[in-house]
Amino acid sequence: EPEVTQTPSHQVTQMGQEVILRCVPISNHLYFYWYRQILGQKVEFLVSFYNNEISEKSEIFDDQFSVERPDGSNFTLKIRSTKLEDSAMYFCASSDGGQITDTQYFGPGTRLTVL
Amino acid sequence: LAKTTQPISMDSYEGQEVNITCSHNNIATNDYITWYQQFPSQGPRFIIQGYKTKVTNEVASLFIPADRKSSTLSLPRVSLSDTAVYYCLVGAAAGNKLTFGGGTRVLVKP
Repeated sequence: EPEVTQTPSHQVTQMGQEVILRCVPISNHLYFYWYRQILGQKVEFLVSFYNNEISEKSEIFDDQFSVERPDGSNFTLKIRSTKLEDSAMYFCASSDGGQITDTQYFGPGTRLTVL
Repeated sequence: LAKTTQPISMDSYEGQEVNITCSHNNIATNDYITWYQQFPSQGPRFIIQGYKTKVTNEVASLFIPADRKSSTLSLPRVSLSDTAVYYCLVGAAAGNKLTFGGGTRVLVKP
């Protein structure tokens, strides 16, 4: 069964450093998402991406965050200058359609630790 | 955006049926009800989705009364591996942003 993959599984960085989290969505999917989950808290929507542009973003997704689909397979989340509060699990998801009835498939996550 | 309320936690035993009820009093006409499951340190996984009445798949059943102000996820004959957090989500057909609440932590005991 096709699945979403994410690398790395765990990233440790110093406050103020840039990090890039990578995702390979399911190959025929057209819609891509990033969510995050701070330890012990809810899963929070960050951004959705379609046709090479952001279709929706949350208030969490400020100027420090950016997303890119650099080639036909990867989808990345960049945090320009990490803060302690960015420590969380980051989940990538993809779907083949953009409706709520189109199932989003989540990757295993990247645990980001900011020191 | 319809707010959802579900129990924080539930305990069950292997082989039992687990029913988790979610309240969504402010559900809108074009909202769908979706349930996701999340194991520790993993991403959420889609279980089932419905609009009204009953939906069943190989994993679960979803019961939605006529007023749609609540829904019940039913997991038949749970096993230890069904220990997870179960999320009830309500969202409009035209949108694809998933809004997760706190979920229900289900612990299946031997």
